[in-house]
Amino acid sequence: QKEVEQNSGPLSVPEGAIASLNCTYSDRGSQSFFWYRQYSGKSPELIMSIYSNGDKEDGRFTAQLNKASQYVSLLIRDSQPSDSATYLCALGNFNKFYFGSGTKLNVKP
Amino acid sequence: GAVVSQHPSRVICKSGTSVKIECRSLDFQATTMFWYRQFPKKSLMLMATSNEGSKATYEQGVEKDKFLINHASLTLSTLTVTSAHPEDSSFYICSFTWADTQYFGPGTRLTVL
Repeated sequence: QKEVEQNSGPLSVPEGAIASLNCTYSDRGSQSFFWYRQYSGKSPELIMSIYSNGDKEDGRFTAQLNKASQYVSLLIRDSQPSDSATYLCALGNFNKFYFGSGTKLNVKP
Repeated sequence: GAVVSQHPSRVICKSGTSVKIECRSLDFQATTMFWYRQFPKKSLMLMATSNEGSKATYEQGVEKDKFLINHASLTLSTLTVTSAHPEDSSFYICSFTWADTQYFGPGTRLTVL
């Protein structure tokens, strides 16, 4: 079983809609959770980190963490074509990091 | 966020030559660093992990004599691909950890002819 599971997509949403990206993980001891965005041909860039249960908002992005259910999600409000990328979910556990394979998001104008 | 630089951004070399890739953290001192490889349309693949002052730990299937990693200081790490072959052509990405978060360099596109 993989440490971090993501649907590979592609997830297609119209411009202006809410994109919902989900991720489940297997290690209950995981302490920190991250969402990275990776454009084609580029390296991943950190969007958000979340450490405790609940929601964390940053601009159009909201990360949600539910440790009891072992999932973390990312909501993107008012999706823009420039949000089209692969989104990687990652978790950290004492300097060991595990990445999901990524969900490809297409935002259609 | 933290800034990581990587050099060169692109390199094309002939088969059999060695290529060195540098990775620097510009505004922090990192305790741990990682080297990843990513083939087109594929996931990040962790190659090795190193902590400053100790040797790198390589993932299964990664040849340590082929991919030489030197964690020279808290701000510099190098990856040398020795005797490169066309199958080593890939996107190589380094990352440093700071405050329990990974920050990635911009990547190096290696093409071996």
